[in-house]
Amino acid sequence: AQKVTQAQTEISVVEKEDVTLDCVYETRDTTYYLFWYKQPPSGELVFLIRRNSFDEQNEISGRYSWNFQKSTSSFNFTITASQVVDSAVYFCALSEARLSGNTPLVFGKGTRLSVIA
Amino acid sequence: DAGVIQSPRHEVTEMGQEVTLRCKPISGHDYLFWYRQTMMRGLELLIYFNNNVPIDDSGMPEDRFSAKMPNASFSTLKIQPSEPRDSAVYFCASSFISREAFFGQGTRLTVV
Repeated sequence: AQKVTQAQTEISVVEKEDVTLDCVYETRDTTYYLFWYKQPPSGELVFLIRRNSFDEQNEISGRYSWNFQKSTSSFNFTITASQVVDSAVYFCALSEARLSGNTPLVFGKGTRLSVIA
Repeated sequence: DAGVIQSPRHEVTEMGQEVTLRCKPISGHDYLFWYRQTMMRGLELLIYFNNNVPIDDSGMPEDRFSAKMPNASFSTLKIQPSEPRDSAVYFCASSFISREAFFGQGTRLTVV
């Protein structure tokens, strides 16, 4: 069965600090997809990134970077030089590939990030 | 594209009343999902459709919950009768060929 664990419930940092959000996943499949979503105080869920299990290359997008390590079943998310606007709940999610279509997203419990000015 | 559109944004109803939540997915998407978010249980899948056909409704908590997708551009989630424990934020999401899902802004349901 698929499972996503975000052990950090809440993190608080001072603006301009770097912060890493941890995500550990469980799956028996060899083909799967990992995701990160952001939920700002306004409540919507915003898609940030999708990675497939065959691509372990790290990805950088502006101040955001993602580190995918299959050996440790982790897909961690780092925000460099954090800003107040980064304050949100961040969710990691997993979907397994099927011939009939990928399984729906299974989410972790989320990490609430507070960036203090 | 306007994104996934949900209505209403907020709903307050009395216990025992029928509640209908509505969703318009992104045009061209073939998957539609209904999720519920609560503090205790986080984000949990209720049901999902592929090409308007329900694929898995095992997440629907009770027979009081039902969902329909009469066409590719509209879906409803109905709770009848509603109970206070149904209070939550209900999200609709859609995706294309089961890639990343795009979420609506959610409906915050309060049952008093």
